[in-house]
Amino acid sequence: DTGVSQDPRHKITKRGQNVTFRCDPISEHNRLYWYRQTLGQGPEFLTYFQNEAQLEKSRLLSDRFSAERPKGSFSTLEIQRTEQGDSAMYLCASSLLRGFTDTQYFGPGTRLTVL
Amino acid sequence: RKEVEQDPGPFNVPEGATVAFNCTYSNSASQSFFWYRQDCRKEPKLLMSVYSSGNEDGRFTAQLNRASQYISLLIRDSKLSDSATYLCVVPGPENRDDKIIFGKGTRLHILP
Repeated sequence: DTGVSQDPRHKITKRGQNVTFRCDPISEHNRLYWYRQTLGQGPEFLTYFQNEAQLEKSRLLSDRFSAERPKGSFSTLEIQRTEQGDSAMYLCASSLLRGFTDTQYFGPGTRLTVL
Repeated sequence: RKEVEQDPGPFNVPEGATVAFNCTYSNSASQSFFWYRQDCRKEPKLLMSVYSSGNEDGRFTAQLNRASQYISLLIRDSKLSDSATYLCVVPGPENRDDKIIFGKGTRLHILP
């Protein structure tokens, strides 16, 4: 399978704990995105990388959230001191930027439940 | 105008019928647009991209109206398997932190 993969698929944690999610993009893709999605809403942009550089971060990404893509391949998203409001589906997408086209392909997501 | 706005539905449509959704956007500088479909508790999957006036792929047609700032998705001869949420995607304004903006989606139920 050469699609985007995410790990874990589900995570249940207690409030105040730290969690880390991993995303492996499609191998030749240079861009990697993180989104958060809650029930009844579309995905909300959090941040994105072009190669290893983090180019933009949403105001939704509080200082408890940090993302890395150290070698320009896989990425991690860490949430520190989780809160119940962090419960959501965290989606990763990757793309290969060509000209102005930036078609994104999504992974299956990590569903986070904070108790 | 909201940055990306979709009618949430649900649209309940009999099998075989034609259905159309609209998506309005506020960023007049956007060059590319996308329709994704999302099944319940699954990730969004790309359905169509729209770069010029429109795009057609089998039973699906996407059209872009830059003057009125909306894109539409038309599904002909609808199938039960078309039941899903359809998400409109528009690039955000430059120098804003919303790189890509998704609409909230339009839910479609195809009825047998």
